Amino acid sequence: KQEVTQIPAALSVPEGENLVLNCSFTDSAIYNLQWFRQDPGKGLTSLLLIQSSQREQTSGRLNASLDKSSGRSTLYIAASQPGDSATYLCAVTVNQAGTALIFGKGTTLSVSS
Amino acid sequence: NAGVTQTPKFQVLKTGQSMTLQCAQDMNHEYMSWYRQDPGMGLRLIHYSVGAGITDQGEVPNGYNVSRSTTEDFPLRLLSAAPSQTSVYFCASSSRGSSTFGSGTRLTVV
Repeated sequence: KQEVTQIPAALSVPEGENLVLNCSFTDSAIYNLQWFRQDPGKGLTSLLLIQSSQREQTSGRLNASLDKSSGRSTLYIAASQPGDSATYLCAVTVNQAGTALIFGKGTTLSVSS
Repeated sequence: NAGVTQTPKFQVLKTGQSMTLQCAQDMNHEYMSWYRQDPGMGLRLIHYSVGAGITDQGEVPNGYNVSRSTTEDFPLRLLSAAPSQTSVYFCASSSRGSSTFGSGTRLTVV
């Protein structure tokens, strides 16, 4: 059974720091991996999608990498800002349609000014 | 704005009552899913659909029914609500492996 683990569960950093969030999954047979952001009481916002054939994706200050063989992904946030404070969720897609996502429990990030 | 719309945003039910959580998308996506989010458990898949008339069970389907009569709509029905169904429910639509989520329905069953 596919399991997704995110470490750390919570992280506090001062503004301006670069940081890395980690995601690991137990079964390398995935179609893709997505990173989401969730603000308190809100829905999920997709940040980055990495297809299984890709190694990384970048969007602005965010960079996500995927090592399928080792079952790991990292989300790198450069020059963190207080507005980056949120919970970050990693999810792997286990069917081609993309209808079945297995989520980690998230990393809650707090960036202080 | 294009996206996934869920209604209602909040709902309180008594044990045994029934209700339908609505989900609509205007992106012409074939694929739609329902998840529930519980503290300490993360998001778990309830049911999904790969097209109109086609649905299947996810990880936690018991107590929930779905149907998909149109591409746009994917309602989730609770036939007899139980306190264990207190949760935040998210609907998602997918295309090319990328999922777009609605803003959620916070359901409390007393």
